[in-house]
Amino acid sequence: EIVLTQSPATLSLSPGQTATLSCRASQSVSTYLAWYQQKPGQAPRLLIYDISDRATGIPARFSGSGSETDFTLTISSLEPEDFAVYYCQQRRDWITFGQGTRLEIK
Amino acid sequence: EVQLVQSGGGLVQSGGSLRLSCAVSGFIFDDYAMIWVRQAPGEGLEWVSTISGSGGSTYYADSVKGRFTISRDNSKNTVSLQMNSLRVEDTAVYYCAKDYAIGYNWYGYFDHWGQGSLVSVSS
Repeated sequence: EIVLTQSPATLSLSPGQTATLSCRASQSVSTYLAWYQQKPGQAPRLLIYDISDRATGIPARFSGSGSETDFTLTISSLEPEDFAVYYCQQRRDWITFGQGTRLEIK
Repeated sequence: EVQLVQSGGGLVQSGGSLRLSCAVSGFIFDDYAMIWVRQAPGEGLEWVSTISGSGGSTYYADSVKGRFTISRDNSKNTVSLQMNSLRVEDTAVYYCAKDYAIGYNWYGYFDHWGQGSLVSVSS
């Protein structure tokens, strides 16, 4: 099983700042890496797939990068609605998710 | 507009059974695989099961294999998860979701989700 480790567990920032979230895989996932956003009481929302492709309707302030085992989700100019939990997910070998990064308002 | 509306769930004793359903609209149902993902209270996301668009291929996480059965009715645009021999550790919110890409047995990204169904298993 491919284990995805996200860091930090919690990130405290202010609106307008840039958030950088990390996801590290226990082995290469090639390009098969996605990011989701989840707000309390809501289902996850697909943000990014195949490392850097934005899903339909996702603002350009969300961007993904990385390769093989190390990936980054960057959220520039944080908006109030961006504060949520973010999960990475791989589909290289079955499906696994990271444990999540909570982005909270400082 | 794509919609996934879930039903089912509730409280059941350990060893019992429950059935979850997910009614979908807004896309050509049998073109896409469908998935169930669960989230234990305060925890992260766990893939549970996938069924291909035709229903001919099914896949399960080891944690539920042999106990859960995924199925779909393409004439009614519904996907279901029959959960037997439930355990306390199956307690979670269960989400159905639509696979992202058309025409694959499964692609593995999920672009539309249901609202979630809470399953609570007591000892």
